[in-house]
Amino acid sequence: DGGITQSPKYLFRKEGQNVTLSCEQNLNHDAMYWYRQDPGQGLRLIYYSQIVNDFQKGDIAEGYSVSREKKESFPLTVTSAQKNPTAFYLCASSMSGAVQETQYFGPGTRLLVL
Amino acid sequence: AQSVAQPEDQVNVAEGNPLTVKCTYSVSGNPYLFWYVQYPNRGLQFLLKYITGDNLVKGSYGFEAEFNKSQTSFHLKKPSALVSDSALYFCAPKTGDTGRRALTFGSGTRLQVQP
Repeated sequence: DGGITQSPKYLFRKEGQNVTLSCEQNLNHDAMYWYRQDPGQGLRLIYYSQIVNDFQKGDIAEGYSVSREKKESFPLTVTSAQKNPTAFYLCASSMSGAVQETQYFGPGTRLLVL
Repeated sequence: AQSVAQPEDQVNVAEGNPLTVKCTYSVSGNPYLFWYVQYPNRGLQFLLKYITGDNLVKGSYGFEAEFNKSQTSFHLKKPSALVSDSALYFCAPKTGDTGRRALTFGSGTRLQVQP
């Protein structure tokens, strides 16, 4: 899992609550990504950021928000508008947003709804 | 648009035998192809990638993959499987043509290596 840390490992959300998942990297990477993985499925892109203070929506951005105020950090907020948030959330980073760059993944956060 | 297909949900192989995990892709423009492995409740680990050049790509843990442009395939192979290779494997393409910089994933292939 290299130099990417995600916290917490498990997170419980109550109905109507916003929760924030942390992602930090010490790889000096410019680009960072958030993916969602549902059981038996592949990963789907939520948001990505190629540089500080800039980010773009992915395929399933509704109900999520992000910020990129520091190069090392790309937190993901799961808002109350996300009606089915139970999933495994994976953060990734790459040296740059160039297409040939390898993305490296963190260990993931499992979000469960109470 | 880009898409990927891993036609086998699960591959079973005996330890010591060769293994193949199949992947076919569809992208517009030149493909950039990646293989990742995921162990239970863990993040994805990078195995190898094809960018350009030699069609046979060697990666981590003795894995290799062969790029076949005419068949739009990028099958993952290993000459001798280990029980510890049992995991979920993802093939993921990218293309530079659309501006999309993130990977596209299918549902993956579960590899089960029997002792």
